[in-house]
Amino acid sequence: GNSVTQMEGPVTLSEEAFLTINCTYTATGYPSLFWYVQYPGEGLQLLLKATKADDKGSNKGFEATYRKETTSFHLEKGSVQVSDSAVYFCALSDKRSNTGKLIFGQGTTLQVKP
Amino acid sequence: DAGVIQSPRHEVTEMGQEVTLRCKPISGHNSLFWYRQTMMRGLELLIYFNNNVPIDDSGMPEDRFSAKMPNASFSTLKIQPSEPRDSAVYFCASSLGSGGTFSNTGELFFGEGSRLTVL
Repeated sequence: GNSVTQMEGPVTLSEEAFLTINCTYTATGYPSLFWYVQYPGEGLQLLLKATKADDKGSNKGFEATYRKETTSFHLEKGSVQVSDSAVYFCALSDKRSNTGKLIFGQGTTLQVKP
Repeated sequence: DAGVIQSPRHEVTEMGQEVTLRCKPISGHNSLFWYRQTMMRGLELLIYFNNNVPIDDSGMPEDRFSAKMPNASFSTLKIQPSEPRDSAVYFCASSLGSGGTFSNTGELFFGEGSRLTVL
């Protein structure tokens, strides 16, 4: 079945450091891939997405490229800020599904220190 | 435009009591999802509906849990009787999942969650 695996956290970085959070997936068909972010005390919200191979999703300085050959969708940011401290979830949806169901990874906590 | 609305935001109850969590999805969305989040197990999909019909309830932990969606604008998740291990944050999310041709961008819109504590 479809699944998503993320690197374990927590990830602790100093402000302005480079961020990478690894995400790999297993899926039949051609999934769409997503990164969601959850700030403390809030629900999840979409950060970025990519719907086909080699697409790059980007938002708020974050980027992720859909790599079909390595079944990966790693999240990167060149210079993190304290305000980026949150839990990040990688997810996929099977476009053949008619319901919009997403499969989430276990989440990676990012803590950015001043 | 209002997002997904959940109530209550916080609930503290005693073991054995009935708990009802409520969700109002975004108007026009026809897929609704209930998730549970704990430190130990992360984010778990409990059940989801498409066009008010339950599609997959395999994530519902046991018979103490039930969910309904009587109409397109309202859903409930009920736990009866509640137990301490049910303590978690319960999220409702909605999306434009279709009942026919796939037209969904894949984006789920989450509510702010209902934090349940069972003593």
